[in-house]
Amino acid sequence: DAKTTQPPSMDCAEGRAANLPCNHSTISGNEYVYWYRQIHSQGPQYIIHGLKNNETNEMASLIITEDRKSSTLILPHATLRDTAVYYCIVRGYNTNAGKSTFGDGTTLTVKP
Amino acid sequence: DVKVTQSSRYLVKRTGEKVFLECVQDMDHENMFWYRQDPGLGLRLIYFSYDVKMKEKGDIPEGYSVSREKKERFSLILESASTNQTSMYLCASSSDTLRGQARFGPGTRLTVT
Repeated sequence: DAKTTQPPSMDCAEGRAANLPCNHSTISGNEYVYWYRQIHSQGPQYIIHGLKNNETNEMASLIITEDRKSSTLILPHATLRDTAVYYCIVRGYNTNAGKSTFGDGTTLTVKP
Repeated sequence: DVKVTQSSRYLVKRTGEKVFLECVQDMDHENMFWYRQDPGLGLRLIYFSYDVKMKEKGDIPEGYSVSREKKERFSLILESASTNQTSMYLCASSSDTLRGQARFGPGTRLTVT
């Protein structure tokens, strides 16, 4: 699996967009970018994934740079309930995310 | 709502006790996983299973064993609990068709005294 680098913490004002960056400069051509989050005292929750095109679902948007060496998870209108640790992981498609290494991630704090 | 459930949210055991942590998923997933989570160390994979009666070691299997007698249930066993096994334990499952989207349980906070 490619290694990922994320900032340890970020703050965001409630109602504003939260943009969480992830660097994955060693990503290979068949590897996908997955995002999970973990709200305090709960298990991680899948958010979104992508290969090279931008992706959007009901939870978030994922922007992947053209060279695929970095990506940004966007929460368009952050709420207090979005305060969590966000993990960026890189895996081959349909390889087990359960075998992924979840590092320290980014602790996002949404403030009123 | 489909889910992964774990038998206890909080558990306190004494050193040397045998501890069973149970995980059940209702999504007919083939793959199941056990992790522990400690501050500064992230999630570390202990054991996983791709099928009934099948198990494979993860990154930190020492001191643990597992059992998967039925597809929906994956048990983690601490044969003789030690204080360094005090941790948050998380179970997860995924299907063969969507392996990238693991579903996690709520976790069990185990304290060994």
